[in-house]
Amino acid sequence: LAKTTQPISMDSYEGQEVNITCSHNNIATNDYITWYQQFPSQGPRFIIQGYKTKVTNEVASLFIPADRKSSTLSLPRVSLSDTAVYYCLSSGSARQLTFGSGTQLTVLP
Amino acid sequence: GAVVSQHPSWVICKSGTSVKIECRSLDFQATTMFWYRQFPKQSLMLMATSNEGSKATYEQGVEKDKFLINHASLTLSTLTVTSAHPEDSSFYICSATPVGLAVNEQFFGPGTRLTVL
Repeated sequence: LAKTTQPISMDSYEGQEVNITCSHNNIATNDYITWYQQFPSQGPRFIIQGYKTKVTNEVASLFIPADRKSSTLSLPRVSLSDTAVYYCLSSGSARQLTFGSGTQLTVLP
Repeated sequence: GAVVSQHPSWVICKSGTSVKIECRSLDFQATTMFWYRQFPKQSLMLMATSNEGSKATYEQGVEKDKFLINHASLTLSTLTVTSAHPEDSSFYICSATPVGLAVNEQFFGPGTRLTVL
């Protein structure tokens, strides 16, 4: 199964842009990259998904370089409520999701 | 749309009893549902894949006779923890994939906190 590597933790301040990078060196041709957010004692919440280049939605942007061996989740102007664990996953359409360790983002006032 | 619910949200039981957790897709049909377990400060671990109308597929190391999964309809999957012990205390999360969408597009339930005394 494809494995992802991401920083264990990151700190930021309110109003700043946060970029979390994920490494997926063994990503398969058909794999998509998906990011989830999880608050304590809640199920993960879908943030964004992409295959290549850049994807943007109302909450985040996802940057994927041409070699697709890494991806960067960008959260613009974070607030205290963005404090959560962020998971990066790579998976094909027919394979189940495998969660890595995730990145604990702490937004400070 | 794409809401998944779980019931109960938390449960406390005595060692040796069985506990049933329900996972429902409220506004879509799901041929495939997944069950995860998450211990404190750890990531989600996939336990099993539940397919409507067929037997569940369990991940390595997960006892199928202890964690019974039933997926009797396109909107409901149940996980029964049989003869629960304190080491089964964990956060159980289900997810579902709407019919027609890829398996890697999953919607997660809010989770069920199980505490075994």
